[in-house]
Amino acid sequence: GAGVSQSPSNKVTEKGKDVELRCDPISGHTALYWYRQSLGQGLEFLIYFQGNSAPDKSGLPSDRFSAERTGGSVSTLTIQRTQQEDSAVYLCASSFWTTKRGGSDTQYFGPGTRLTVL
Amino acid sequence: SQQGEEDPQALSIQEGENATMNCSYKTSINNLQWYRQNSGRGLVHLILIRSNEREKHSGRLRVTLDTSKKSSSLLITASRAADTASYFCATATTDDKIIFGKGTRLHILP
Repeated sequence: GAGVSQSPSNKVTEKGKDVELRCDPISGHTALYWYRQSLGQGLEFLIYFQGNSAPDKSGLPSDRFSAERTGGSVSTLTIQRTQQEDSAVYLCASSFWTTKRGGSDTQYFGPGTRLTVL
Repeated sequence: SQQGEEDPQALSIQEGENATMNCSYKTSINNLQWYRQNSGRGLVHLILIRSNEREKHSGRLRVTLDTSKKSSSLLITASRAADTASYFCATATTDDKIIFGKGTRLHILP
């Protein structure tokens, strides 16, 4: 594809609701990453996938967060029982290849999903 | 300080001047990358420098890496209004993690 796409671009939800964020990586990229960025802050690593498997889930903030990737392509990040502190921009990136765990190839980022929890 | 910590946090310069941003890190790395972010959305990759390289150029960008000091610098020469953005360094560590810093907010004054 032309680039990494994410949907929705904006999501407003009520506290306690579940949300699903979607990421479509660049075709052929084996590695996919999820990050979270709070206002004015740097990127917080959440999880990455090598193919369909997620070797490193250490960045997920709590068990309310989960992610899956099917068919080595699209990934979904799910946040259950959302809290106000979950409000942030969720960024997805993909890269052509990755090393053992975290990858060192150039990452291509999507435009992000801005999540607001009321 | 955190891995991949940039300084300064914010920088304002006149158009046409050079802008220098620094990044310090703590652990061993395979490479270090610089990214730009406009309007708090997606990041754009600027340049990657490997641990065995000391300097790289790309257009108006010059990146240096000093592994003995665990630091890198990004120099933007002849700055333009369009360079106004946040700049992040990301370290790819030898234990296979990618760690982003909090970024430097660069503002180019007309």
